[in-house]
Amino acid sequence: QLQLQESGPGLVKSSKTLSLTCTVSGGSISSSSNYWGWLRQPPGKGLEWIGSIHYSGSTYYNPSLKSRVTISVDTSKNQFSLNLSSVTAADTAVYYCAREVLSDYNWFDPWGQGTLVTVSS
Amino acid sequence: DIQMTQSPSSLSASVGDRVTITCRASQSISSYLNWYQQKPGKAPKLLIYAASSLQSGVPSRFSGSGSGTDFTLTISSLQPEDFATYSCQQSYSTPYSFGPGTKLEVK
Repeated sequence: QLQLQESGPGLVKSSKTLSLTCTVSGGSISSSSNYWGWLRQPPGKGLEWIGSIHYSGSTYYNPSLKSRVTISVDTSKNQFSLNLSSVTAADTAVYYCAREVLSDYNWFDPWGQGTLVTVSS
Repeated sequence: DIQMTQSPSSLSASVGDRVTITCRASQSISSYLNWYQQKPGKAPKLLIYAASSLQSGVPSRFSGSGSGTDFTLTISSLQPEDFATYSCQQSYSTPYSFGPGTKLEVK
């Protein structure tokens, strides 16, 4: 079955760039009926959608983060990645990758296990 | 942007109880509403999509209803494994947004 796994540094210094990769296994990232998304959850808070990418490279981002976010895809490795620049303590969160299923109604399923990224000063 | 609210923020219940959680959107979202279950330290799990469609593998004691701005998630008979946090999410328009969550606790 389809599985997603996030990887990357768990600690990032303030003002630097947060970089994470999501590896997809059990299926191809090159499916026209899916987007691939990044979401995050600050400690004790709700979920926030960061952005999504299609294997073709088409992206859409949350406007609240758009100026700092880049999501890219590497179909040869079945991976997609997140870069978040100029991070602050407010970017400390568990970061999740997930498949965004495209249908008449979109939803996220499945999700990766999540990775905690702490921004330090 | 569409704001999502949930009530209650927390709920105490017992095994076997019928439980209802409410989600409200700041504008009409038709049936573009999904429900997720999240246990501590775990990723969210899709329960319901398109307001009332049960995700494959999810027990039939879970059901969703509503359209427009008001939605409900109902658990017909609580089981021990159902104590978790439940969040709604709108997919009507980007930026996608989630409710703050409802924590379901053991009474």
